Amino acid sequence: KAGVTQTPRYLIKTRGQQVTLSCSPISGHRSVSWYQQTPGQGLQFLFEYFSETQRNKGNFPGRFSGRQFSNSRSEMNVSTLELGDSALYLCASSLEGVSNQPQHFGDGTRLSIL
Amino acid sequence: KNQVEQSPQSLIILEGKNCTLQCNYTVSPFSNLRWYKQDTGRGPVSLTIMTFSENTKSNGRYTATLDADTKQSSLHITASQLSDSASYICVVIFSGGYNKLIFGAGTRLAVHP
Repeated sequence: KAGVTQTPRYLIKTRGQQVTLSCSPISGHRSVSWYQQTPGQGLQFLFEYFSETQRNKGNFPGRFSGRQFSNSRSEMNVSTLELGDSALYLCASSLEGVSNQPQHFGDGTRLSIL
Repeated sequence: KNQVEQSPQSLIILEGKNCTLQCNYTVSPFSNLRWYKQDTGRGPVSLTIMTFSENTKSNGRYTATLDADTKQSSLHITASQLSDSASYICVVIFSGGYNKLIFGAGTRLAVHP
């Protein structure tokens, strides 16, 4: 069974640009959640999508948004990029949600802002 | 404030030795506590999930304990191997009206031959 796939693995952008990251969950998983990981802040929860609806949201500005498609694939968008957005962005999938099931993580997209 | 604190920040042990990592939390209410292992350049992998009513859970050489009264958890690694070198992250699921994952900063473990 294929794991969680994130594309691209690496991305370089400049300040002010926007970026879209993609996540394909494990087949059959309906919940996809996104996380930001930086050396200073560690792992932080961005949001969770379930059946194409955002179900939970962390404390990030509105520049961070996402969506989920009918096949459970998800995209995350960051607009007006800032230097502080440089991070590893991870997505994870599970059958029903983050509350009581293990999250299966992808290997992330490393975003660098110049 | 809901927080998860892990100690030590980093640890070096010799192959074959045991070690224990600590996690203290102030998250309330919470539904479960998890330990993840993250290898360099990879996503985290789930080791254990414990609800507030569980005291211990094992996964091979990894054993997690939970004391909900003192809000402490530990991860014990037995007979360490070089492949155990990784970051270990404690995560508490806040369940007060909505579900939110609160992460510890992790313990970086290095196992030397």
